[in-house]
Amino acid sequence: GAVVSQHPSRVICKSGTSVKIECRSLDFQATTMFWYRQFPKQSLMLMATSNEGSKATYEQGVEKDKFLINHASLTLSTLTVTSAHPEDSSFYICSVHGGGGTDTQYFGPGTRLTVL
Amino acid sequence: AQSVTQLDSQVPVFEEAPVELRCNYSSSVSVYLFWYVQYPNQGLQLLLKYLSGSTLVKGINGFEAEFNKSQTSFHLRKPSVHISDTAEYFCAGSTGNQFYFGTGTSLTVIP
Repeated sequence: GAVVSQHPSRVICKSGTSVKIECRSLDFQATTMFWYRQFPKQSLMLMATSNEGSKATYEQGVEKDKFLINHASLTLSTLTVTSAHPEDSSFYICSVHGGGGTDTQYFGPGTRLTVL
Repeated sequence: AQSVTQLDSQVPVFEEAPVELRCNYSSSVSVYLFWYVQYPNQGLQLLLKYLSGSTLVKGINGFEAEFNKSQTSFHLRKPSVHISDTAEYFCAGSTGNQFYFGTGTSLTVIP
């Protein structure tokens, strides 16, 4: 399956600052990537679908101006949490759609964001 | 609407005992089904998947699952668990590009 990396793995920032999280597909050209958010002891919540070369599709209730997504190449999507606040603290996970009709998603290792 | 239900939020089991993690799906169309494992502070790792064909699917780490259309289930099983199997397990379904996840089952293996 596809190998997906995320950077950074952990970030701590002050309230009001912006944080960029990178998601890379290392061995697969991904036209579609997904961004999820996971709170402690909970399941994954899809935030948005990142489409290479076009605007991301956001799920209901997710602020697009708050969570900026850029998918500039087939191997890189970035999520920027703008003006982060403590309630944005969470585990952010990206995934790559495997394609080929299998509908399998391959996940990155996640990024732990803590906003002080 | 499509959905996946994991019936048990927590499953404690003794080491070397068998385990079954339950998952039921609801879908009016053909569905692909998956099991993922998540270790603490890590992403999700694909254990196994059912796309079509044989209803008994074997995955990594000795896990297997059986697709049962009549019971709309896709339970995950392992005949003998190890301490290292302690993790969160997610059942997921897909009818297209989008996944829908279950709420997860926390498996704790007791020495």
